[in-house]
Amino acid sequence: GAGVSQSPSNKVTEKGKDVELRCDPISGHTALYWYRQSLGQGLEFLIYFQGNSAPDKSGLPSDRFSAERTGGSVSTLTIQRTQQEDSAVYLCASRGRAILPGANVLTFGAGSRLTVL
Amino acid sequence: AQRVTQPEKLLSVFKGAPVELKCNYSYSGSPELFWYVQYSRQRLQLLLRHISRESIKGFTADLNKGETSFHLKKPFAQEEDSAMYYCALSKGSQGNLIFGKGTKLSVKP
Repeated sequence: GAGVSQSPSNKVTEKGKDVELRCDPISGHTALYWYRQSLGQGLEFLIYFQGNSAPDKSGLPSDRFSAERTGGSVSTLTIQRTQQEDSAVYLCASRGRAILPGANVLTFGAGSRLTVL
Repeated sequence: AQRVTQPEKLLSVFKGAPVELKCNYSYSGSPELFWYVQYSRQRLQLLLRHISRESIKGFTADLNKGETSFHLKKPFAQEEDSAMYYCALSKGSQGNLIFGKGTKLSVKP
């Protein structure tokens, strides 16, 4: 596709339920990032995939959060046993191969807004 | 550890006034710095990057390694500049991109 696609755009769930958020990056982009955007916290890094390398999971806030990237393309962010503090907009971004300085430029999706009741 | 600090949550100016959005960073190596912008109901997008030394929509930003700053400036603010602005730092051309908490710029008529 022409851009980064995320689904669902909105998700309302009950506390304790599991949710899955999906990201379709730009075709051919080797790097994929997940961020969480919430009021007062800005953009929090969650996880980063680069090609076949082991993902950088250093931003995941707890073991309830996990992400996969299958076949180097689509990624799914899973939140288990959701809590109210998980309510936020989850943003996905992708990037093509970056070699030159200043090339680490991300293209963002529209986000998935998660509301945990 | 790398960190990006944007001290102002909200910055309000009148149209035609100069604007400066502050960004300070901490990183021991040679950072690559960026400004991203999110207009109302639009996606987050790149505004400019320090390596290009470019002016986009009248905005410029200079990397000051001595002060570890990358402030965003525009001499005459316009109402259409109202948006959320994020400063970001990258370790090299690949790797993680760390964002600040953002500054909401409001330009009043």
